[in-house]
Amino acid sequence: DQQVKQNSPSLSVQEGRISILNCDYTNSMFDYFLWYKKYPAEGPTFLISISSIKDKNEDGRFTVFLNKSAKHLSLHIVPSQPGDSAVYFCAAKEDAGGTSYGKLTFGQGTILTVHP
Amino acid sequence: DAGVIQSPRHEVTEMGQEVTLRCKPISGHDYLFWYRQTMMRGLELLIYFNNNVPIDDSGMPEDRFSAKMPNASFSTLKIQPSEPRDSAVYFCASSALLAASTDTQYFGPGTRLTVL
Repeated sequence: DQQVKQNSPSLSVQEGRISILNCDYTNSMFDYFLWYKKYPAEGPTFLISISSIKDKNEDGRFTVFLNKSAKHLSLHIVPSQPGDSAVYFCAAKEDAGGTSYGKLTFGQGTILTVHP
Repeated sequence: DAGVIQSPRHEVTEMGQEVTLRCKPISGHDYLFWYRQTMMRGLELLIYFNNNVPIDDSGMPEDRFSAKMPNASFSTLKIQPSEPRDSAVYFCASSALLAASTDTQYFGPGTRLTVL
């Protein structure tokens, strides 16, 4: 049972344009969401996060949007750069009332390719 | 800090052999996680430890998999006997404080396991 789903295995974008990566979740106990970025032959690295009490968090070119009612979040990268080409993982964490406190549940990942 | 260290980086073995993957977490981190990455399922949590004690091993696929953390600076993931379907990239991650939702996990570079 995939509680966190990234339905687009890949995304191709032109340099300078916007990249939008999507993520859906099913567990209503999730209260914190993160995006990780992974380059080949490296481990994932933290990119940006958002608490469930917010609907938007921005960090430079990266913005994460959260729609709790739709159980959907998205990562916007503007403008996209060739160096952004990587696999992007969405992850979610349960709140203190859950039985798996602290555990991150990851999606399958989306491969982003930014063309020069 | 050198970050999370994993060894070996690559492992090729034959079906039925025992495989041991090693991890050294970031000093001072009291949570350690083992993940497996496959194309089909993305990043799956296998097991995690808090202060060297296993907390949740519900992701361990079979009894062939075992993990230990004898001290705060070392953990092993063992597969015995290994099977071709165990071929994947195995990541170790560590984290400092999970009481606050804002904490993130720091990943090692991974071990690419191929079982022939």
